[in-house]
Amino acid sequence: DAKTTQPNSMESNEEEPVHLPCNHSTISGTDYIHWYRQLPSQGPEYVIHGLTSNVNNRMASLAIAEDRKSSTLILHRATLRDAAVYYCIPTNFQGAQKLVFGQGTRLTINP
Amino acid sequence: KAGVTQTPRYLIKTRGQQVTLSCSPISGHRSVSWYQQTPGQGLQFLFEYFSETQRNKGNFPGRFSGRQFSNSRSEMNVSTLELGDSALYLCASSGTSGIIKYFGPGTRLTVT
Repeated sequence: DAKTTQPNSMESNEEEPVHLPCNHSTISGTDYIHWYRQLPSQGPEYVIHGLTSNVNNRMASLAIAEDRKSSTLILHRATLRDAAVYYCIPTNFQGAQKLVFGQGTRLTINP
Repeated sequence: KAGVTQTPRYLIKTRGQQVTLSCSPISGHRSVSWYQQTPGQGLQFLFEYFSETQRNKGNFPGRFSGRQFSNSRSEMNVSTLELGDSALYLCASSGTSGIIKYFGPGTRLTVT
């Protein structure tokens, strides 16, 4: 399992963009980079995943470094509802559906 | 379609008892995985079942066990409960894409 490093916490203001970084220098060539978030008192929620190219969906964008050793989750206009713990998890789900969660980044959004 | 459901949502048990938690995956999903979340250890993988077979297991003692039925519903059992088993137990299901996209709301277990 690849090790990840994320800031313990970050703070941003409502309606501003948020860039959440993740280092995963030991990622294997077949691992996708997945991002999940967990809102207070809820189960984790899938956000986005990618392999090499940058990815966009209705929730966020994922920017992946060319060497794949780091990635950044981008929330384009943060809302109060985006306050959560964000987890970056490299995995390929080969053979088993298993997620190894680190400590994640606790994102606070100020009104 | 209905999401992942877990029952019960809350449970209080006494040390030494056993407990069974249930998880119903999204219709058509054949993989169910279980996680334990505590303030000290965070989210930890317990085990995963696919087509009624345990496919992977985390680093938990044998008191933690599970099974999956032919309709993909899964149960996990914890015997001889300890105070440290107090946690939020989450299950997740995944379909043919293999990506875990759906988690249940969890069962909050309190051991007194």
